[in-house]
Amino acid sequence: DTVLTQSPALAVSPGERVSISCRASEGVNSYMHWYQQKPGQQPKLLIYKASNLASGVPARFSGSGSGTDFTLTIDPVEADDTATYFCQQSWNEWTFGGGTKLELK
Amino acid sequence: QVKLQQSGAELVKPGASVKLSCKTSGYTFSTSYMSWFKQIPGQSIEWIGMIYAGDGGTGYNQKFKGKATLTVDTSSSTAYMDLSSLTTEDSAVYFCARTGHGWFAYWGQGTLVTVSS
Repeated sequence: DTVLTQSPALAVSPGERVSISCRASEGVNSYMHWYQQKPGQQPKLLIYKASNLASGVPARFSGSGSGTDFTLTIDPVEADDTATYFCQQSWNEWTFGGGTKLELK
Repeated sequence: QVKLQQSGAELVKPGASVKLSCKTSGYTFSTSYMSWFKQIPGQSIEWIGMIYAGDGGTGYNQKFKGKATLTVDTSSSTAYMDLSSLTTEDSAVYFCARTGHGWFAYWGQGTLVTVSS
């Protein structure tokens, strides 16, 4: 299985820029996708294929990377962005990272 | 618009089975793929398997072979997942999601399954 590693938690102030990282145990080309999940809700697709903004997602969200290292950036962060963010790869079956919980100061 | 409506929460006894449903609307179900996922609250998401509604063909995560069985009813645009021989380790929220090119833009709201005697 391709293992995706994310830092468990981050805390930022509203208006700041935050970068959430995801490292794959093997190369996944550009087949990395990002989701936002709030408590009690289903995941919401933010970014697909590393850098493509999903429909209806604000341009404050962006993605970058290829191979094994990927980043989701939120700039500027807003209060409503409090959530857990998951990366998911689709190069070798489908696996998800452990999630990064974003909290606002 | 695309909608995936999942069945309600289930409380089941160890050793029993449960069948979850995912009723769809807003797109052509009969030529689409549906995936199912498991998420223990506070933890990550696991892909269970996928089914093609056109012919019922399936693919499973090796971990869930023998545990989950995916089926569809194209007449009602509904996907189903049977979970068998339930243990407390199967207690989780289960999601369905329309499957496109490897990412998942449309998800059901999730069904909580609690396995307890």
